[in-house]
Amino acid sequence: QKEVEQNSGPLSVPEGAIASLNCTYSDRGSQSFFWYRQYSGKSPELIMSIYSNGDKEDGRFTAQLNKASQYVSLLIRDSQPSESATYLCAVTAGKLIFGQGTTLQVKP
Amino acid sequence: GAVVSQHPSWVICKSGTSVKIECRSLDFQATTMFWYRQFPKQSLMLMATSNEGSKATYEQGVEKDKFLINHASLTLSTLTVTSAHPEDSSFYICSASTAAGSSYEQYFGPGTRLTVT
Repeated sequence: QKEVEQNSGPLSVPEGAIASLNCTYSDRGSQSFFWYRQYSGKSPELIMSIYSNGDKEDGRFTAQLNKASQYVSLLIRDSQPSESATYLCAVTAGKLIFGQGTTLQVKP
Repeated sequence: GAVVSQHPSWVICKSGTSVKIECRSLDFQATTMFWYRQFPKQSLMLMATSNEGSKATYEQGVEKDKFLINHASLTLSTLTVTSAHPEDSSFYICSASTAAGSSYEQYFGPGTRLTVT
């Protein structure tokens, strides 16, 4: 079982819609959870961090964490074509472990 | 804030030579710096963790004599790929954190694309 799992996608949504990205992790002792965005050929850019159960909102982004279900999600409201990229879920389990990423396509 | 730079952004070298990559935190002091490698179509894999003034901690399977890491100050870490071979061609990315350990936010540099011919 992979330590951090994401659906590779692509997830395709129309411009202005809500994009929902999901991630599960295997280590119950994980304490910190992050979402990064990576454009092709570029390095990851931190979008959100979440450390406790529940929702955390930052502008159009909402991260959701459910430690009992070992599940993290990222919602992007009013998604824009410029946000088409690979979204990486990362979890700390002694070290930062990345999922394979979900490719998001926001179509104009 | 939290800007990390890397130099060079890309480098081509011949097999058997060494290449040094620099990672700098520009507007904060980085207690911990991390080095990752990313092969095409794959996710980032941690190579090593370094704290200023101490020896780096390497991940299993990463040769510490091949990938030399120096973290001489709170704003600079270097990765030297010694005796590079074509299989070392990859995207090398550093990150920095203001706190010790990996539980805190890491800010990534723009990456260095290494091609070994």
